[in-house]
Amino acid sequence: AQKVTQAQTEISVVEKEDVTLDCVYETRDTTYYLFWYKQPPSGELVFLIRRNSFDEQNEISGRYSWNFQKSTSSFNFTITASQVVDSAVYFCALSDPMDSNYQLIWGAGTKLIIKP
Amino acid sequence: NAGVTQTPKFQVLKTGQSMTLQCAQDMNHEYMSWYRQDPGMGLRLIHYSVGAGITDQGEVPNGYNVSRSTTEDFPLRLLSAAPSQTSVYFCASSNGTSGSPSYNEQFFGPGTRLTVL
Repeated sequence: AQKVTQAQTEISVVEKEDVTLDCVYETRDTTYYLFWYKQPPSGELVFLIRRNSFDEQNEISGRYSWNFQKSTSSFNFTITASQVVDSAVYFCALSDPMDSNYQLIWGAGTKLIIKP
Repeated sequence: NAGVTQTPKFQVLKTGQSMTLQCAQDMNHEYMSWYRQDPGMGLRLIHYSVGAGITDQGEVPNGYNVSRSTTEDFPLRLLSAAPSQTSVYFCASSNGTSGSPSYNEQFFGPGTRLTVL
């Protein structure tokens, strides 16, 4: 069965620290997509990144970077020089074509608190 | 573009009441879905639709009905509200340009916070 595990329920760091959010997934298929979404305190869900299973290149977007490692089934998210505005709940999700519901499999989320 | 809109933003119901959560999108997306979000559980799929006239059940469909008469609208109906349905409900849409609609970015509405007493 497909599964996404975000073992870190809550992380608290001081502003300007680097922080890594872990995501471990399970799937038997070789073709799949992985996602990260952000949910700030205002409640909306915001798309951050999509990665397909054939592209293991790391991605960097400003202070955000993602490390995809198929060997360990992980898709970790790092925020460099964190800011208070990064405070949010972050969700990792998996899209698996073996799932006929076309649904995303979501992790439980990691609440990130950035203290000033 | 308004994106995905949901109404109402907040709703309080008594056990046994019925109501409809509205969802609309103006991006001409074929795929639409309803999720519920409960603390510590991530998002769970209730129902989804891959086009007008086509709906199907997700992970937690019991107690909910949907219909898709147009591409734009995808209302979620609670048949007889129960306290277990207290949750935040999100509607989402996406297109299918990468094959499966779940391969693409999901666009979410702002959510409806529902409390059932």
